[in-house]
Amino acid sequence: GAGVSQSPRYKVAKRGQDVALRCDPISGHVSLFWYQQALGQGPEFLTYFQNEAQLDKSGLPSDRFFAERPEGSVSTLKIQRTQQEDSAVYLCASSKTHKGTGLDNEQFFGPGTRLTVL
Amino acid sequence: AQKVTQAQTEISVVEKEDVTLDCVYETRDTTYYLFWYKQPPSGELVFLIRRNSFDEQNEISGRYSWNFQKSTSSFNFTITASQVVDSAVYFCALSPLDAGNMLTFGGGTRLMVKP
Repeated sequence: GAGVSQSPRYKVAKRGQDVALRCDPISGHVSLFWYQQALGQGPEFLTYFQNEAQLDKSGLPSDRFFAERPEGSVSTLKIQRTQQEDSAVYLCASSKTHKGTGLDNEQFFGPGTRLTVL
Repeated sequence: AQKVTQAQTEISVVEKEDVTLDCVYETRDTTYYLFWYKQPPSGELVFLIRRNSFDEQNEISGRYSWNFQKSTSSFNFTITASQVVDSAVYFCALSPLDAGNMLTFGGGTRLMVKP
């Protein structure tokens, strides 16, 4: 499989539960991004990694949201004490590099994880 | 701050009609990228095109064409002779040329092509 994969594809959580969403980027891709897409809206940036370093987390909506990429490959987005407003599709994207004007910084998106908080 | 506006939330056309999806953007960057993505019902974002801000040449790819006008901060997308398979949500997006290239998306336009 050459694409970005995400698991689980669907997650239902009760309010207050913690959830963990996984992203497997394309092998060798340096950059990894998380986006949140609420129903009927465009994706919104959450956070960005370059290898294992989290260079920008300005889009994380609260301190309940935490992301990591400890070995510079797989990434996990964790949401603690989920709230109903966290219900959304969480998209992961990866790119070969993080700069330059060539196509190497094109972002490839995974299928997303649809989180529903009851 | 960056902002992308897609004023048309929903468009409905009959097959074989031409349709144009509008996109207007705001940025303080002097160099940037503009994108269009397609999101079919399956949910996955499909890359359609990327343009950089110093290349205003319009582009045509099959039934798709893009009109970039820096003077009006617009990057419109036209589908010629639309087909039912074109039904999807289309997103316009903007990113800086560096600093991680994170994307700022518009709200999307839902295109419905009826047979």
